[in-house]
Amino acid sequence: GAVVSQHPSRVICKSGTSVKIECRSLDFQATTMFWYRQFPKQSLMLMATSNEGSKATYEQGVEKDKFLINHASLTLSTLTVTSAHPEDSSFYICSARVDRRETQYFGPGTRLLVL
Amino acid sequence: AQKVTQAQTEISVVEKEDVTLDCVYETRDTTYYLFWYKQPPSGELVFLIRRNSFDEQNEISGRYSWNFQKSTSSFNFTITASQVVDSAVYFCALSGTYSGAGSYQLTFGKGTKLSVIP
Repeated sequence: GAVVSQHPSRVICKSGTSVKIECRSLDFQATTMFWYRQFPKQSLMLMATSNEGSKATYEQGVEKDKFLINHASLTLSTLTVTSAHPEDSSFYICSARVDRRETQYFGPGTRLLVL
Repeated sequence: AQKVTQAQTEISVVEKEDVTLDCVYETRDTTYYLFWYKQPPSGELVFLIRRNSFDEQNEISGRYSWNFQKSTSSFNFTITASQVVDSAVYFCALSGTYSGAGSYQLTFGKGTKLSVIP
């Protein structure tokens, strides 16, 4: 149980294009999903917290217009990197949990390379 | 503010040795949760354990064991008889009400990279 999937696992795109990453909880309903970014050899940096049916809460310094998050259902959240630039290249990981006192389960991550 | 410190950046051990990964935390919460996650080279974070702040019992799961000491704010992780497959980055994390408007967000340590040499 507690499986979270992410798609795609790897994406290469041209500068200026938009990229959508999907995060799905496969065997449980997630009231909250989180999006993280991880640079090489560093810890995870929380980008935003997403509750089903409401607007995402972004961490300080994260541009909400650049990183669009939608949490349309209890099993799906999407992160869209708009007008991607090479500095957006990173490893993006989502997580999901049932409620606030429960464990966060992580997806396998998406490696984004912007050329 | 919450903080998690993993002072060991990298550790190398020879296969079959025991190894302990340290984790020290700071929080103002009386109720909080501690976690360990494993991140192998593939990148996925694998959940290992979750501990409630009211439960100080140590836990053993196969070759893994965890020592929770509230008096020293530590939650150390020991792998006995290490194997090459244990090579990964291990993250200690903390969640509580002070981590973000009551949302129980995770505060991660910087991680410890464990290399098990055959």
